[in-house]
Amino acid sequence: QKEVEQDPGPLSVPEGAIVSLNCTYSNSAFQYFMWYRQYSRKGPELLMYTYSSGNKEDGRFTAQVDKSSKYISLFIRDSQPSDSATYLCAFFMDTGRRALTFGSGTRLQVQP
Amino acid sequence: GAVVSQHPSRVICKSGTSVKIECRSLDFQATTMFWYRQFPKQSLMLMATSNEGSKATYEQGVEKDKFLINHASLTLSTLTVASAHPEDSSFYICSAPNSGIQYFGAGTRLSVL
Repeated sequence: QKEVEQDPGPLSVPEGAIVSLNCTYSNSAFQYFMWYRQYSRKGPELLMYTYSSGNKEDGRFTAQVDKSSKYISLFIRDSQPSDSATYLCAFFMDTGRRALTFGSGTRLQVQP
Repeated sequence: GAVVSQHPSRVICKSGTSVKIECRSLDFQATTMFWYRQFPKQSLMLMATSNEGSKATYEQGVEKDKFLINHASLTLSTLTVASAHPEDSSFYICSAPNSGIQYFGAGTRLSVL
């Protein structure tokens, strides 16, 4: 079983739609949960960062974590063509290996 | 947020050439930096952890004699791809943590002919 599962997409939505991106994970030692956005041929850019179960909102973005189900989500409201990118979930545990563990990324295309 | 600068952004070289990629933390110090490799439409795969003042830690399957890492200072780590071959062509990205958050460089696209 992979540590992190993420649907690679591509996911195509019309402009203005609500987008839901999801990851499941198996390692209960993960303590921090992140979403990165990566445009083509660029480095990942941090969007959301949380360490507790529940929702965290930042503008059009809401990150949701359910530790009991080992499931995290990113919601994008009023999606824009500029949101078209690959979205990577990432996990971190503050013991031993200090690098992030990434999902495979979901490619999102927002159609004007 | 913190800034990580990676240089060069693009390298095209002949087979057998050694290529050096630099990763700098511009406004913070990083005793640890990470090097990732990313193939098209795939996620980032950790190659190695660069440690200031000590040897790098390589992930399983990564050749340390091929991918040489030097963490010369608290703000600079370099990755040298020794005697690059076409199969080394990929997108290489570095990251550095600051206050628990990983910040990434813009990446280096290496094409070996």
